[in-house]
Amino acid sequence: GVSQNPRHKITKRGQNVTFRCDPISEHNRLYWYRQTLGQGPEFLIYFQGTGAADDSGLPNDRFFAVRPEGSVSTLKIQRTQQEDSAVYLCASSLVQGGNEQYFGPGTRLTVT
Amino acid sequence: QKEVEQNSGPLSVPEGAIASLNCTYSDRGSQSFFWYRQYSGKSPELIMSIYSNGDKEDGRFTAQLNKASQYVSLLIRDSQPSDSATYLCAPYNQGGKLIFGQGTELSVKP
Repeated sequence: GVSQNPRHKITKRGQNVTFRCDPISEHNRLYWYRQTLGQGPEFLIYFQGTGAADDSGLPNDRFFAVRPEGSVSTLKIQRTQQEDSAVYLCASSLVQGGNEQYFGPGTRLTVT
Repeated sequence: QKEVEQNSGPLSVPEGAIASLNCTYSDRGSQSFFWYRQYSGKSPELIMSIYSNGDKEDGRFTAQLNKASQYVSLLIRDSQPSDSATYLCAPYNQGGKLIFGQGTELSVKP
């Protein structure tokens, strides 16, 4: 399945954080979402191969993600703010077929 | 108007009953529809996908799609306490991303 680490991250406001996602090996699309309590996941960005196909959900320029070799992806948040506290979810899918997306366990970020 | 609307619940049904979860969406370009189940503290788990109008059955789950009415539903037959979770509806329109509703919390009482 999709793996993510760390599973939990507590950081102080203003610090930078980095999250990693390992997709299902044969999946060529990778997605990042974030979820706050009581809400459905909110799209951030997705990659097809190495390139970001849609980054329209990134909330501001403190957020950026890369997938340099078309497999593992990292999501980085600079100068974290309290409103960044959320669960960051990674998902992957095949382009072919119905684009069924499978989620990893998520990384819970708490900004104090 | 929200892109995807679901009753937030909680929807409470007795064990063995049929649970009916509803979802409406605004994007007429949506072509595929997914239902995810999310247990508290866990990530979403894909349980059903439906691509064409009508019904699709998988075990105790039936998804129903009506594109003209922009409506998709999930029926859970013979509900079990283990079905207690939040159910998320997510249309897909070839743009890549899923747009999720806020989810319906289902509680199945023994």
